[in-house]
Amino acid sequence: DTEVTQTPKHLVMGMTNKKSLKCEQHMGHRAMYWYKQKAKKPPELMFVYSYEKLSINESVPSRFSPECPNSSLLNLHLHALQPEDSALYLCASSQKLTGNIQYFGAGTRLSVL
Amino acid sequence: GQQLNQSPQSMFIQEGEDVSMNCTSSSIFNTWLWYKQEPGEGPVLLIALYKAGELTSNGRLTAQFGITRKDSFLNISASIPSDVGIYFCAGPEQKVTFGIGTKLQVIP
Repeated sequence: DTEVTQTPKHLVMGMTNKKSLKCEQHMGHRAMYWYKQKAKKPPELMFVYSYEKLSINESVPSRFSPECPNSSLLNLHLHALQPEDSALYLCASSQKLTGNIQYFGAGTRLSVL
Repeated sequence: GQQLNQSPQSMFIQEGEDVSMNCTSSSIFNTWLWYKQEPGEGPVLLIALYKAGELTSNGRLTAQFGITRKDSFLNISASIPSDVGIYFCAGPEQKVTFGIGTKLQVIP
């Protein structure tokens, strides 16, 4: 089983809303990632968690707040987003942090109005 | 940081033709990955390469890890319509780096 499950698949929110994206994996992976992907571009790394601790924050604005409640779950809390934050948000996991294959979820398509 | 140059950026080919795309890196990689992404989906791993010179196949797909460890190519033989998508190379170091992608369109 190499499945990473993301919910919801689609999300529309206003600029004053608070919402959360969820990601789950049961492969025993200890590294989890959030990426943002704009149309016709490769995924851009946002955050990396290793053993439930934030390892990398790629200078992401504070309106994006990641959380790793346990080794299987990764959340991305959204607050006061801007229309330019509309994108496909991808979660991925890997066995460990360095040099390992990352398995991706199907993503959450986010639209900010 | 690491940079990946992937080419070509797009291809239109006839069904049944072979396809070749490649990636070059500004630095040495220990692992090369090739992913395919279809519209509205996340990237799906196609092939992983771990050793310089390694040649690995997955059905009609063949990928090679360059001897210099700074390049890799992916070949698709006898293309079919479901090969349509964007193909990304990636180097999964601590901060994984993706190539710009090769958009493949297959004309039946």
